[in-house]
Amino acid sequence: DAGVIQSPRHEVTEMGQEVTLRCKPISGHNSLFWYRQTMMRGLELLIYFNNNVPIDDSGMPEDRFSAKMPNASFSTLKIQPSEPRDSAVYFCASRYRGGSGELFFGEGSRLTVL
Amino acid sequence: AQTVTQSQPEMSVQEAETVTLSCTYDTSESDYYLFWYKQPPSRQMILVIRQEAYKQQNATENRFSVNFQKAAKSFSLKISDSQLGDAAMYFCAYRSPNTGNQFYFGTGTSLTVIP
Repeated sequence: DAGVIQSPRHEVTEMGQEVTLRCKPISGHNSLFWYRQTMMRGLELLIYFNNNVPIDDSGMPEDRFSAKMPNASFSTLKIQPSEPRDSAVYFCASRYRGGSGELFFGEGSRLTVL
Repeated sequence: AQTVTQSQPEMSVQEAETVTLSCTYDTSESDYYLFWYKQPPSRQMILVIRQEAYKQQNATENRFSVNFQKAAKSFSLKISDSQLGDAAMYFCAYRSPNTGNQFYFGTGTSLTVIP
C-alpha cells in the first residue's frame, strides 16, 4: 500500500493567496483527519471526516479555512486568504474504524506564508 | 475532554542504554486505546506501539515496550538498546471509541541518543 499521500510537500506563498493542500487516504480507510503542527501549539486537530462526512470541525481556526472530502479517496484543505500565522506543517491522517484503529499519517505539507 | 500529559519535554540516552518516556492521561472511560508515535526529523509520524485498555498484558514491539498502569492512568514507553535512529520526537496518544473516535495527543518528548 502506498500509504497516505499528501501534496504539495512544501508550499511557499505570499499573504493573501489561496492555498490548497491535498490528501489521498489509504484505500479502505473510512476516517480522515487534518492536523496542524507548530512549535508553539504542537499538534492540533483541525477537522475530521467519517465516511466522507465532516464530523468535527471545531478545530478549524476561522472561516478562512475550509475542508472537503468529495469522495473516499480524496480530501482538500483550503486556506483563503492565507496569512503568515498559518505557516505550519499540515498533516493528513487516515484510519479504519475498527479494532485499535490507529492513525496512519502522511508526510505532511510544510506551508510558509510570507 | 480527555487530556494527555507528557511531562518530559526532552530526554537523552546513551546509545545501547535503556530509556523510559512517561505519559499520563485523564479519562473517565473504561474502554480506550493508547498509542506511541515517533516523529523523526523527516517529520512523518510513525506508529511505534499500541495498547488496548482491556488488555492487562503490556504491549511489546521488538525493542519497544510499554508499562500500562490503568488504575494510575499511566502509559510509559521503554526503549531498550537505544540506537541512533531512535532519536526523534515521541508522542503519546489516546483514542476514545465513544467521543466520535477522537484522538488526543500529548505535547511530545524530544529524545536525543548520544553516541
